[in-house]
Amino acid sequence: DVKVTQSSRYLVKRTGEKVFLECVQDMDHENMFWYRQDPGLGLRLIYFSYDVKMKEKGDIPEGYSVSREKKERFSLILESASTNQTSMYLCASSTGASSGSVTDTQYFGPGTRLTVL
Amino acid sequence: AQKVTQAQTEISVVEKEDVTLDCVYETRDTTYYLFWYKQPPSGELVFLIRRNSFDEQNEISGRYSWNFQKSTSSFNFTITASQVVDSAVYFCALGLVTQGGSEKLVFGKGMKLTVNP
Repeated sequence: DVKVTQSSRYLVKRTGEKVFLECVQDMDHENMFWYRQDPGLGLRLIYFSYDVKMKEKGDIPEGYSVSREKKERFSLILESASTNQTSMYLCASSTGASSGSVTDTQYFGPGTRLTVL
Repeated sequence: AQKVTQAQTEISVVEKEDVTLDCVYETRDTTYYLFWYKQPPSGELVFLIRRNSFDEQNEISGRYSWNFQKSTSSFNFTITASQVVDSAVYFCALGLVTQGGSEKLVFGKGMKLTVNP
């Protein structure tokens, strides 16, 4: 079974702090994704990565950055947390093994509920 | 425009009732994928099904069934004889390739199903 883990289930930070959210997958997947989920808005893509050290902006990248130094790990960074970044953050991964794998099934982690005070 | 509409935001049923979750999508692409995910109260999105745009066969898996109709751009999900454990938020998603060649998963806003004993 695919296993995607996230470093924290719940996190409370103060405005202006630098926040790191970590995601690890154990299935040697090429693709990794970060979403945020807000009531009434569904899931929105923040950033994704198709390979180590490679990243692409999603729909709402402002205020975020990412890092992928190793294939299994994808980090989301809030350089200076703000209250409007209070949300549920979900990480996902997919195989991305070939061109036919585009839109492969994404497997999700349990989510991190971040509160910024 | 690429969009997924889940018109129902919340449904409440009594155990053993059948319930259908509607999903309507918009895309001009001829190749695309459709997904359903379940998000129980624990927060993790659980993959249920993936269908490609060339396969309009309906699918049944236990109490779950899916009806894909390209003519109406719909991919509806029916739970037969609902159970309390089916209580969750359900997301429909559209997977396609952007002009830049990257994949993109567009989610509906989700539908909360409550099954009462």
